[in-house]
Amino acid sequence: EAQVTQNPRYLITVTGKKLTVTCSQNMNHEYMSWYRQDPGLGLRQIYYSMNVEVTDKGDVPEGYKVSRKEKRNFPLILESPSPNQTSLYFCASWGQGRRTEAFFGQGTRLTVV
Amino acid sequence: GNSVTQMEGPVTLSEEAFLTINCTYTATGYPSLFWYVQYPGEGLQLLLKATKADDKGSNKGFEATYRKETTSFHLEKGSVQVSDSAVYFCALSDLTSTGGGADGLTFGKGTHLIIQP
Repeated sequence: EAQVTQNPRYLITVTGKKLTVTCSQNMNHEYMSWYRQDPGLGLRQIYYSMNVEVTDKGDVPEGYKVSRKEKRNFPLILESPSPNQTSLYFCASWGQGRRTEAFFGQGTRLTVV
Repeated sequence: GNSVTQMEGPVTLSEEAFLTINCTYTATGYPSLFWYVQYPGEGLQLLLKATKADDKGSNKGFEATYRKETTSFHLEKGSVQVSDSAVYFCALSDLTSTGGGADGLTFGKGTHLIIQP
């Protein structure tokens, strides 16, 4: 079954404690991306990757890091989380071609206290 | 750059009412257009898509027609159900774009639809 898997689904952490949210896809997609979803702001892109070792900033990259060492994995790293990073996070992947659809993970609800 | 504009809502309707959610776009190239749906507590999933002008995408009773002349892709359903309550995102994919994030994939802000029994 084609899917994007994020972990964990829910996470409560304290300010400054480094955390990683994992994302894995099984469709051999070239493109992967992280979004955060906040009320009234819709989906905002954090970082994206066009292939292994190729990443670039999205609209709201501050406070986040990513890496793409393997095609299927695209972890999101918060080195020093702050309360303004409390949000719902989604990972997505898609293949090449303008007709291809994006596949989304189930989301990670992060709370930073 | 590319952009997608849609009504944000919330849109509240009674069961069996007719639904229209407007979506307009700007794109530098010739995009494909998508509607995604997000049910409570879940990620986004593709609802329907259209890849060229005058194409009609359809799924689960929803329809949208790619209108190049008006740069629109409005979502419609003839008779909504309580189970259609969700957030709906209009999106475009534009391979020729140099902006808009990875490969020109751009989302609207989402429309929260509430259907009352």
